[in-house]
Amino acid sequence: QSALTQPASVSGSPGQSITISCTGTSSDVGAYNYVSWYQQHPGKAPKLMIYDVSNRPSGVSNRFSGSKSGNTASLTISGLQAEDEADYYCSSYTSSSTVVFGGGTKLTVL
Amino acid sequence: QVQLQESGPGLVKPSETLSLTCNVSGGSISSYYWSWIRQPPGKGLEWIGYIYSSGSTNYNPSLKSRVTISVDRSKNQFSLKLSSVTAADTAVYYCARDITGFDCWGQGTLVTVSS
Repeated sequence: QSALTQPASVSGSPGQSITISCTGTSSDVGAYNYVSWYQQHPGKAPKLMIYDVSNRPSGVSNRFSGSKSGNTASLTISGLQAEDEADYYCSSYTSSSTVVFGGGTKLTVL
Repeated sequence: QVQLQESGPGLVKPSETLSLTCNVSGGSISSYYWSWIRQPPGKGLEWIGYIYSSGSTNYNPSLKSRVTISVDRSKNQFSLKLSSVTAADTAVYYCARDITGFDCWGQGTLVTVSS
């Protein structure tokens, strides 16, 4: 299975909105609504931010939202804050009942 | 609140078997999927495999020939064995609970493969 494709880096200024894309295939992202997004700060374990394409776990800010169109999922962060600076990873279930991650995107808050 | 804690040797010799255990506290291991995920230094996340509390498993095809994940419901823990390790298996290894998304993670444990 091939890793999902994410941009290596994105950046934005405080208060702005950014979107991170996650492109897969019809065997993973396009096949199911089981796309998740994770935030990882340096030296820390990843944190679930979005599950099932667009659902937020309890306690996650509503500035984080997710969507999907075809084989591409997206994470949007609105009202960018300094503490949002981190690495972000998407993941998806596959038609083989496995899980595949994206390569990760480094978000820089300017 | 469920908490996960990985344990095991931090150093493994090439060609040997890496063995880690994840202890689940604050909740039952039953009726959930539990995964192992790793992250080589400076690189991205890689899913290794999962086990359901009943014992059924599924593995990353790229690691399948070397991986075994097992569960001990009596101890509320699950384990990872990765055989014939090389330097490429050096990584932080995480255990996580899977509910259509990995909602709970261990802190991770660094395993270095070196002689």
